[in-house]
Amino acid sequence: EDQVTQSPEALRLQEGESSSLNCSYTVSGLRGLFWYRQDPGKGPEFLFTLYSAGEEKEKERLKATLTKKESFLHITAPKPEDSATYLCAVQAGTFSGGYNKLIFGAGTRLAVHP
Amino acid sequence: DSGVTQTPKHLITATGQRVTLRCSPRSGDLSVYWYQQSLDQGLQFLIQYYNGEERAKGNILERFSAQQFPDLHSELNLSSLELGDSALYFCASSVGPAPPTNQPQHFGDGTRLSIL
Repeated sequence: EDQVTQSPEALRLQEGESSSLNCSYTVSGLRGLFWYRQDPGKGPEFLFTLYSAGEEKEKERLKATLTKKESFLHITAPKPEDSATYLCAVQAGTFSGGYNKLIFGAGTRLAVHP
Repeated sequence: DSGVTQTPKHLITATGQRVTLRCSPRSGDLSVYWYQQSLDQGLQFLIQYYNGEERAKGNILERFSAQQFPDLHSELNLSSLELGDSALYFCASSVGPAPPTNQPQHFGDGTRLSIL
C-alpha cells in the first residue's frame, strides 16, 4: 500500500538553528514528490517538486532533496516566519486516464522561536 | 494567493442535512481535486475532475458527490451529514490531468464544515 511518513511530528527550533525534516515513502511507481507549507487556517502552499533521486531544489532558507526512499527538507538559519506545518506528498501510479492523486504525510509542525 | 477560490469559508449545519461547497480553479487550470482534512486523518484525496469529466476517485463516501461545470468551477455535495463529516474541505487545481509533466496542485484556503 502506498504510504508517506513524516518525522518528526513536531519540531521546536531557536531562530538561526538549522535542522532537517524527513519524508519517507513506499509507493509503486513514484511520479513526483511535493513539499507544501500550511499555515493555520490556510490551504497548503506549494514549495517544491522533486522527480528523481539526487535532485535538489532551493528556495530562500529551504532546500529539498530526494533519494530513492526518502526526501529531506533542510531549513538553514530559520526565522520565526518559517513557523508552519510542512507537508510532504507523493504522486504515484500510472497516468492512464489522467490519474493524479496525491498521497500526503501527516506533516511536521515547525515552531521557530526568537 | 493561490488563485483557487473556495466558498463558503465556514459552514455550520446539523446532522442529516445536505450542503454544497464551491470551488473556482486558477485561471487556465482544467483539473480540479477535492481533499478532506481532519485532525486524525490528515489530508485525504476524495475525487478529481478534468475538463468536466471524473478522472480519479479516492476515499469518497457514497453520500458525497461532485461535479465540474462547463465554466470549470466545481461543486462538492455532501448529504445525510454525520458528526464525523466535520472537517476542512480543500479544493486544488492544476493545468492538466498529469502528463507529460507533473504539475503541482495549487490549493484554496478551504471550507471549514462543522456538524452540530
